[in-house]
Amino acid sequence: ETGVTQSPTHLIKTRGQQVTLRCSSQSGHNTVSWYQQALGQGPQFIFQYYREEENGRGNFPPRFSGLQFPNYSSELNVNALELDDSALYLCASSPLAGGFAGELFFGEGSRLTVL
Amino acid sequence: AQKITQTQPGMFVQEKEAVTLDCTYDTSDPSYGLFWYKQPSSGEMIFLIYQGSYDQQNATEGRYSLNFQKARKSANLVISASQLGDSAMYFCAMREGQGAQKLVFGQGTRLTINP
Repeated sequence: ETGVTQSPTHLIKTRGQQVTLRCSSQSGHNTVSWYQQALGQGPQFIFQYYREEENGRGNFPPRFSGLQFPNYSSELNVNALELDDSALYLCASSPLAGGFAGELFFGEGSRLTVL
Repeated sequence: AQKITQTQPGMFVQEKEAVTLDCTYDTSDPSYGLFWYKQPSSGEMIFLIYQGSYDQQNATEGRYSLNFQKARKSANLVISASQLGDSAMYFCAMREGQGAQKLVFGQGTRLTINP
């Protein structure tokens, strides 16, 4: 148990719809990052939030957006869903925005299927 | 650009044997960190071990050790006395510098422990 919880665990959407995924960070962690893991691939970094501001982004289009709240929980929003958005979305939290803080703590992920 | 290469898509090992999972990396940043994660079928990424680029000694965590060969840019994971519960996907990952908590992952190796 890492203390990082994600919801929903599974969901199905159709192309063009919008989805919101939620993450509750481990207590005391002020940094959260999101990863997309397509089937059979390693996770890919989407973005990171620190103190409610985005402070790092991977190679994902603007229709992927996020929020971090004062209690450090976070949301990932994806607009205009495409079939290739089908993946496991992982949230990770850590106690520091920079520096080698050691490991990131991952949740179990939200598995999104786009039909 | 960062790159992590895991050349073994699958490994099969007898219970109680040691196993080495290969990982090579490519970076021009002198400051970086290397991680190994285990991902069971539940989807959660479980942190196993971390090696900093300036660490003088190879990292060890219980049955896990990291064979860090900086000149060869390799960071192989060694699991001693394998157990049935070690069956899972294993990912090598790298983080550059001290900025955002962005990890770059390899494609992973599926490890199967046979009784």
